[in-house]
Amino acid sequence: KAGVTQTPRYLIKTRGQQVTLSCSPISGHRSVSWYQQTPGQGLQFLFEYFSETQRNKGNFPGRFSGRQFSNSRSEMNVSTLELGDSALYLCASSLGQAEQYFGPGTRLTVT
Amino acid sequence: GIQVEQSPPDLILQEGANSTLRCNFSDSVNNLQWFHQNPWGQLINLFYIPSGTKQNGRLSATTVATERYSLLYISSSQTTDSGVYFCAASNNAGNMLTFGGGTRLMVKP
Repeated sequence: KAGVTQTPRYLIKTRGQQVTLSCSPISGHRSVSWYQQTPGQGLQFLFEYFSETQRNKGNFPGRFSGRQFSNSRSEMNVSTLELGDSALYLCASSLGQAEQYFGPGTRLTVT
Repeated sequence: GIQVEQSPPDLILQEGANSTLRCNFSDSVNNLQWFHQNPWGQLINLFYIPSGTKQNGRLSATTVATERYSLLYISSSQTTDSGVYFCAASNNAGNMLTFGGGTRLMVKP
């Protein structure tokens, strides 16, 4: 069974731009969660989607948003990028409320 | 929300040595996982262990839910064990994991 996939793997954007990251969960998994990892703040939860509905949300500004499609694929969007948004963005999938499996991540650099 | 703390933050071992990594959490949990982050950033699942003891080769883990801690044991360490180990826990309805700060392990040949 294929693992969690994320695209793109690397991205360079300029301040003020917006970016969309994509995550395809393991087949059959309906829960997709997003996390941000930075050297200063560590790994922090962004949001979780289950059956196309946001089920949990972390403490991030409204510039960070996401959605989930009927095939469980998820996207997250960051608008008006700031330098501090440079991070590794990780996506995880799971069957309901259970063990989470992570994708390889998208490394975003904002210049 | 739940707080997760890991110790030690850094650990240097000689190849072949054993080690114990600790994870303390502030509340009851319904999910606790240990991960190893590889040099490219991907989190590799080691254990899903909200309670009890599990073993996988040279690695084993124990979670004592009533005492709110979990331990990861690495025996006969190898240089390939180097990297950052994370503990993450959840106590809510859903999959919102709270991560500890990690333990950075270096195994010297």
